[in-house]
Parts: sequence; C-alpha cells; structure tokens
Amino acid sequence: QVQLVQSGAEVKKPGASVKVSCKASGYTFTSYAVHWVRQAPGQRLEWMGWINAGNGNAKYSQKCQGRVTITRDTSANTAYMEVSSLRSEDTAIYYCARGDSRTYIDYWGQGTPVTVSS
Amino acid sequence: QTVVTQEPSLTVSPGGTVTLTCAANTGAVTSGYYPNWFQQKPGQAPRALIYSTSNKHSWTPARFSGSLLGGKAVLTLSGVQPEDEAEYYCLLYYGGDQTFGGGTKLTVL
Repeated sequence: QVQLVQSGAEVKKPGASVKVSCKASGYTFTSYAVHWVRQAPGQRLEWMGWINAGNGNAKYSQKCQGRVTITRDTSANTAYMEVSSLRSEDTAIYYCARGDSRTYIDYWGQGTPVTVSS
Repeated sequence: QTVVTQEPSLTVSPGGTVTLTCAANTGAVTSGYYPNWFQQKPGQAPRALIYSTSNKHSWTPARFSGSLLGGKAVLTLSGVQPEDEAEYYCLLYYGGDQTFGGGTKLTVL
C-alpha cells in the first residue's frame, strides 16, 4: 500500500534551517511528483511547491521561492524539503503528498510539526 | 497571485444535501484549473476526495461529488453523515502554481 512517512517534529531558532524528509513506499517513486504543503496553527493549507521525482526538477510557489529547496534521493525513495532563514511565521505542520504536476494529489504523509522559537 | 475563496462555514442536517463552492479571482474556474477537494478533520492530515473537477479516488464515498457551476468548482455532499463534519479545502492549478482555498468548516447538526 502507498505510504509516505515523514521525519519527526523539529524545534528551531530564528535564522536556522530545517530539513524535513518524506520516505515513500508501495509505489514506483520516480513515476510521481511529491508536493509539499504547510499549515500554520489555525490557518489554511498553503501549497509550497513540488518535485518531479523522476528528473528532480522542482517548482516553488512565489512565496516560497528563494527560501525553500525541495530535493529527492531516488536510491532512498525519499523527498526532502528545506526551509532556510527560519522565522516565527514558518511555525507550521509540514506535509508531503504524492501527485502529478497539476491534476491531482492523492496520498499524504502524517505531517511534521516545525516550531520556530527563540 | 491567485486568491481562492470558499464559504467560511456551512451547517447541514444529517441526511441532507450541501454544496460547497470554490472561486478564483482570476476569473471563472474551468476544468483547466483541475479542481481538487480535500477533507481535513482536527489533528489529522488532509484526505483527498475529488480530483480534476469530478473524479473520485478509490476511497471516496459515493455521497461526495464534484462539478463546475456558475464559474466555480463545486463539491456536493448528498445524504450527509455525522462523520462528514470537517474542514473542506479546494485546490486550484493556475499558471504553474497551485493555490488552496481558505477552507469551509462544515457542521452537521
């Protein structure tokens, strides 16, 4: 069965970086995209970007461009999302999800809470 | 930047029918926006319900359906069950980006 298992909760100081992993199983990793979505406390879902797990090309939302980097390791069937220069506003639950480039997102990871606090 | 708007909240009685809408400030929502719908319950990850306007995932209950109406994407729940109480989000694709709506809190009373 398709599963996306994310790394554990993180607590970071402002200005630091965080890297969240998303390990995929139950399907051919390189045949799909991995999207990253975050949700600040009590807020709406926010789409951050996606990576083509086959060729490694990544696309970011306008808001995330420049501070967010999405990568993947095909040997480990794992996608990664790194946020640099963390601010308190980056405190959120970060989700990975499987999909394609535009038409659908289906399976989701369990979420990774990231807290940014001095 | 695309702004996607949903009703903030709706209330429906058990067994009733309710319609949730999803609009874009870029104009009428068409099939080219590939509307997706997700359900999220407190403390849980979102769950996919509908993709590309009206297609259901294998796990989507039959009472959920998606369509386009009046320039908006629409999610219809027919025969609402108590367990349908949740937040519902739409997701639209436009110009290479994807944008979520603000969510609709559905209360079943």
